[in-house]
Amino acid sequence: SQELEQSPQSLIVQEGKNLTINCTSSKTLYGLYWYKQKYGEGLIFLMMLQKGGEEKSHEKITAKLDEKKQQSSLHITASQPSHAGIYLCGATGTSYGKLTFGQGTILTVHP
Amino acid sequence: DAMVIQNPRYQVTQFGKPVTLSCSQTLNHNVMYWYQQKSSQAPKLLFHYYDKDFNNEADTPDNFQSRRPNTSFCFLDIRSPGLGDAAMYLCATSGRQGNEKLFFGSGTQLSVL
Repeated sequence: SQELEQSPQSLIVQEGKNLTINCTSSKTLYGLYWYKQKYGEGLIFLMMLQKGGEEKSHEKITAKLDEKKQQSSLHITASQPSHAGIYLCGATGTSYGKLTFGQGTILTVHP
Repeated sequence: DAMVIQNPRYQVTQFGKPVTLSCSQTLNHNVMYWYQQKSSQAPKLLFHYYDKDFNNEADTPDNFQSRRPNTSFCFLDIRSPGLGDAAMYLCATSGRQGNEKLFFGSGTQLSVL
């Protein structure tokens, strides 16, 4: 089965600082997804990466997938309190659905 | 807006008393999933429906059952909830095509007394 490890487990930053969250897979990924979850709520889709070396950005968040398709990073530039939450990477090993998730990274942004 | 709706938002049940959680979707997606997320843990897939085909994960306890009477609705039945079943239950949907993202509902937080 696909196993995903995220680091760090938690992160506390001052508003305005940049930060990076990593996600490492034990196997080659077919698709890598980043979701954000606010405490006690559902998951909100951020980005999906499929190709080795792919990079996507949305507002101040950039996600990258390495060439070997086993590691992804999520970078937030000039963090804001609204970025606070739990960031989860999820991966598929085949062509559809059945996401397996990492354990999540808890991000706290102090004003 | 098209979305995935879970009811209720919070559910309290008694130890051993059957409980049903519901999920509906307006996305007309073929695939519906149920995930269990315990505190500070990753969501764990329990089972999913691909149209009417039910797919159970190997380690999902028999205590958990599911029904999908039509495309729009899916139910999670917990026959005899134990204290260890207290968790957030997340419903998600996706289309038939490969590499389609999952759309999640807001979840149902289940407490077992």
